[in-house]
Amino acid sequence: GESVGLHLPTLSVQEGDNSIINCAYSNSASDYFIWYKQESGKGPQFIIDIRSNMDKRQGQRVTVLLNKTVKHLSLQIAATQPGDSAVYFCAEKVNAGGTSYGKLTFGQGTILTVHP
Amino acid sequence: ETGVTQSPTHLIKTRGQQVTLRCSSQSGHNTVSWYQQALGQGPQFIFQYYREEENGRGNFPPRFSGLQFPNYSSELNVNALELDDSALYLCASSFRGNSYEQYFGPGTRLTVT
Repeated sequence: GESVGLHLPTLSVQEGDNSIINCAYSNSASDYFIWYKQESGKGPQFIIDIRSNMDKRQGQRVTVLLNKTVKHLSLQIAATQPGDSAVYFCAEKVNAGGTSYGKLTFGQGTILTVHP
Repeated sequence: ETGVTQSPTHLIKTRGQQVTLRCSSQSGHNTVSWYQQALGQGPQFIFQYYREEENGRGNFPPRFSGLQFPNYSSELNVNALELDDSALYLCASSFRGNSYEQYFGPGTRLTVT
């Protein structure tokens, strides 16, 4: 079945360090992968996405890497700041041929804590 | 902020009661998806509404139902509330039904006692 999981439930880093958050997925039919950031008391905030035919995509201070061979996704945050402290979720959208709706399947989340 | 709003912010209900949660989508978006997020878990897809019709459904029983209105706002209704329904209910709006770019509201925290 569909599932998205995370290797590390918590990650603690010092301000200025680079952070890497990992995610494993199981559905080969997924066509998009998305990273969300969720701060306490808020809804998930879209960070960056990557299409399944790409290996890497860069944004502002963030990079997403996709390894389809081992079904692994990672989010790299450069020069991590205290404001980056949040729960990070990976999500996938399955392209189930003929499916007309965008169901996102989320992982459990990684808590990132950035110490000043 | 995404422009997606939800009401109410918090709600306490008793087991067996019914509840209605509301969502206003971001301007220009015609699709609303609803998710349930239990404490310490990722959001779980409930269903999606596109052009006022249910456009896809996750593994939730029929007592979870919804509506979408001509202005694209949406309601989530849950009948016969159970203790396990206690969760954060999130709505997300998107430009079209199959879009992966979904923008979430702040959620409604439902507590069932």
